[in-house]
Amino acid sequence: ILNVEQSPQSLHVQEGDSTNFTCSFPSSNFYALHWYRWETAKSPEALFVMTLNGDEKKKGRISATLNTKEGYSYLYIKGSQPEDSATYLCAFADNFNKFYFGSGTKLNVKP
Amino acid sequence: SAVISQKPSRDICQRGTSLTIQCQVDSQVTMMFWYRQQPGQSLTLIATANQGSEATYESGFVIDKFPISRPNLTFSTLTVSNMSPEDSSIYLCSVEGVTNTEAFFGQGTRLTVV
Repeated sequence: ILNVEQSPQSLHVQEGDSTNFTCSFPSSNFYALHWYRWETAKSPEALFVMTLNGDEKKKGRISATLNTKEGYSYLYIKGSQPEDSATYLCAFADNFNKFYFGSGTKLNVKP
Repeated sequence: SAVISQKPSRDICQRGTSLTIQCQVDSQVTMMFWYRQQPGQSLTLIATANQGSEATYESGFVIDKFPISRPNLTFSTLTVSNMSPEDSSIYLCSVEGVTNTEAFFGQGTRLTVV
């Protein structure tokens, strides 16, 4: 069983705070690393797909970095807003494009 | 992108009964995937459903417990059979994107077994 770990499990921040979470994954058989944003009762929404070591992606206030050699990815949110409250999932895709998910980081942004 | 309609969105079921979850995709896809997320756990792949052949189950999941149908390229069902409280989870269906570098998901089914 392939282990993908996310930390922290949950996070409570004030509106305007910047925050970041970690996804750790095996460094072998790497194909891609995915980040999803999942709000309750909605479909997980794709944020980023990263494939190359050193990749950095940005979408508005959210950005992500990738280190495939050491097996980690960081997701950053700058100036958190209440609408950023959600569970953030990462998924490691192996050479067969099979997805292995972390258990998620649940973010709560207080106004 | 693909739009997936999954239902029911939630249900509370008695132990020993079965529930069938449906997923309808707005385009034809070769493979559909069924995941489960138990409380506090990761999303875990149950099986891959191919049209015209039996589903492929992951270790720890069996057809008798989670029978899957895939009658055409836009539809699939997952049945959770003879339910127990341990089956209380969120169940998600998923398809790959055109480039196979992304996945799209249904809205999930939140199942509580009492």
